[in-house]
Amino acid sequence: DGGITQSPKYLFRKEGQNVTLSCEQNLNHDAMYWYRQDPGQGLRLIYYSQIVNDFQKGDIAEGYSVSREKKESLPLTVTSAQKNPTAFYLCASSMTQGVTNTGELFFGEGSRLTVL
Amino acid sequence: KNEVEQSPQNLTAQEGEFITINCSYSVGISALHWLQQHPGGGIVSLFMLSSGKKKHGRLIATINIQEKHSSLHITASHPRDSAVYICAVNRVGGGGADGLTFGKGTHLIIQP
Repeated sequence: DGGITQSPKYLFRKEGQNVTLSCEQNLNHDAMYWYRQDPGQGLRLIYYSQIVNDFQKGDIAEGYSVSREKKESLPLTVTSAQKNPTAFYLCASSMTQGVTNTGELFFGEGSRLTVL
Repeated sequence: KNEVEQSPQNLTAQEGEFITINCSYSVGISALHWLQQHPGGGIVSLFMLSSGKKKHGRLIATINIQEKHSSLHITASHPRDSAVYICAVNRVGGGGADGLTFGKGTHLIIQP
């Protein structure tokens, strides 16, 4: 079945370590996104990518990095520069036409990162 | 003030009740999404609408562009409807492929 796969579902890391969260989609979507969700807040955009080898910073990109080497994948690295990395991270994808989101959003199951 | 406001924040109801969740927004939009977040965290898209009304099973979503308001209704509610319901809007001229702004969600609990 088509969908988005995120891994790992739970991740524990020590402070100061970089971690990479995986996001793979087989929906043939051009656009992929990473969001962060904190208790009591709406989803906030970290990075998004509309096409292979291109990506744009979202509202809270500091301390994060992404790569888009292939259409199916947008891994997110949480670096040691991210001051408060403990959060729930969601990956999403959608169809686009140019720069316009034309369709529904598809989300992964999320990855919960806890920094000890 | 948030660009997307949802009400209520929390809602507890009995099985079978008719449920309404509201979403108001303050920006120009091209579309509005209703999403459902399961207790495990995964999110499913319920509706994407830009005018009028859509129905899927026991779920109905309406939008009034002039009033900048949308509602999500659940008829004959069931405990399996318990989830967080999130409203999100595609801002006009929001920039890039993601001019999306999300509400904080409505936490719904349906008791048997």
